Amino acid sequence: GAGVSQSPRYKVAKRGQDVALRCDPISGHVSLFWYQQALGQGPEFLTYFQNEAQLDKSGLPSDRFFAERPEGSVSTLKIQRTQQEDSAVYLCASSEDRGETQYFGPGTRLLVL
Amino acid sequence: GQNIDQPTEMTATEGAIVQINCTYQTSGFNGLFWYQQHAGEAPTFLSYNVLDGLEEKGRFSSFLSRSKGYSYLLLKELQMKDSASYLCAPGGDTGFQKLVFGTGTRLLVSP
Repeated sequence: GAGVSQSPRYKVAKRGQDVALRCDPISGHVSLFWYQQALGQGPEFLTYFQNEAQLDKSGLPSDRFFAERPEGSVSTLKIQRTQQEDSAVYLCASSEDRGETQYFGPGTRLLVL
Repeated sequence: GQNIDQPTEMTATEGAIVQINCTYQTSGFNGLFWYQQHAGEAPTFLSYNVLDGLEEKGRFSSFLSRSKGYSYLLLKELQMKDSASYLCAPGGDTGFQKLVFGTGTRLLVSP
């Protein structure tokens, strides 16, 4: 079956621009996670959804970051007024349920100029 | 707080065995995951240990000691395609698997 997909794969934004990153989890997966991965670092947790409920957003670095999953499937991570420090790979992962193995998408590589 | 320690880089030759160590200190613990990540690609799941001991899966094995906050990933019969970063990630006891990743160990396999 299809894995986790993300779009766009690459995004170049000018500083101050808003961006929206999309994640399509594996069909039927209840849990969805967003991570940020800086160059040479491991992924860092941003936020977690169980179905449509955002149960943990403690990793979001600022109020410029916003995530939603309105129908419990596709999720969007939005970054407003992008800054250069937002440049990173944004990874989405999904799992069957909250305690299960997470499967990652290919990521969106964001470059803010 | 969370603290995960792995070697930054390791090198090995084709056909050899390599052990990648990981020590961790986390507030709450719910098992430990190992992921493989090739450059520019997504992390892919390798193993999950929740109980102490060794889990073997083909050429890869993973060991966990909860009392020592220690895990290792053992790769046997190394192949060139095993050149990648290996990420150790303890899961938090927060009602879901809130993974905390280390910086990863970059393994280079040479002929």
